[in-house]
Amino acid sequence: DAGITQSPRHKVTETGTPVTLRCHQTENHRYMYWYRQDPGHGLRLIHYSYGVKDTDKGEVSDGYSVSRSKTEDFLLTLESATSSQTSVYFCAISEDLGDNQPQHFGDGTRLSIL
Amino acid sequence: AQSVTQLDSQVPVFEEAPVELRCNYSSSVSVYLFWYVQYPNQGLQLLLKYLSGSTLVKGINGFEAEFNKSQTSFHLRKPSVHISDTAEYFCAVSVPRNDYKLSFGAGTTVTVRA
Repeated sequence: DAGITQSPRHKVTETGTPVTLRCHQTENHRYMYWYRQDPGHGLRLIHYSYGVKDTDKGEVSDGYSVSRSKTEDFLLTLESATSSQTSVYFCAISEDLGDNQPQHFGDGTRLSIL
Repeated sequence: AQSVTQLDSQVPVFEEAPVELRCNYSSSVSVYLFWYVQYPNQGLQLLLKYLSGSTLVKGINGFEAEFNKSQTSFHLRKPSVHISDTAEYFCAVSVPRNDYKLSFGAGTTVTVRA
């Protein structure tokens, strides 16, 4: 299994509070991604990173920010959490070896915003 | 932009029976296609991928998929399922030179009954 650790695995918080989720990899892969998974929507890309300090938006980036200060860590921040951000969040990584590289996923963080 | 449609949200099937999960995609350029499986409370695991060449692709756990360019489909099949195949299955597509980003279908839940 790819060395991907997400923390925390579960979190319950209140509307309006800041929340940071962490993804840590031991594979030294260049690319890292944050997705959210909601029933009926599959996984949707929030933000991704193509290198240290290099990030770009995905299809559902509003209300989220990310940072990548070192290769192994990719942080997802909800500056002021809303109930619509209750979801399961997955981190994924990918090597930069050509277009046929699949992504490998962490075990997810279940976030509930009350 | 590309999109993926999984035609069945839920598929109940009896143990040892065959199963087919349908996936159609839309893209203006050539694509790479993937099937992932998600067991309860876990992340996504790659089942198989189509990159080029033979249109019949074999994956792990006895699954296979057939790429049909004219019908823009990538259906997943298994000739005989086990209880342990109960999971959610996701079809995904990526396009070349796009930072390995994936677009996912909404998922198909397979429930295998004895």
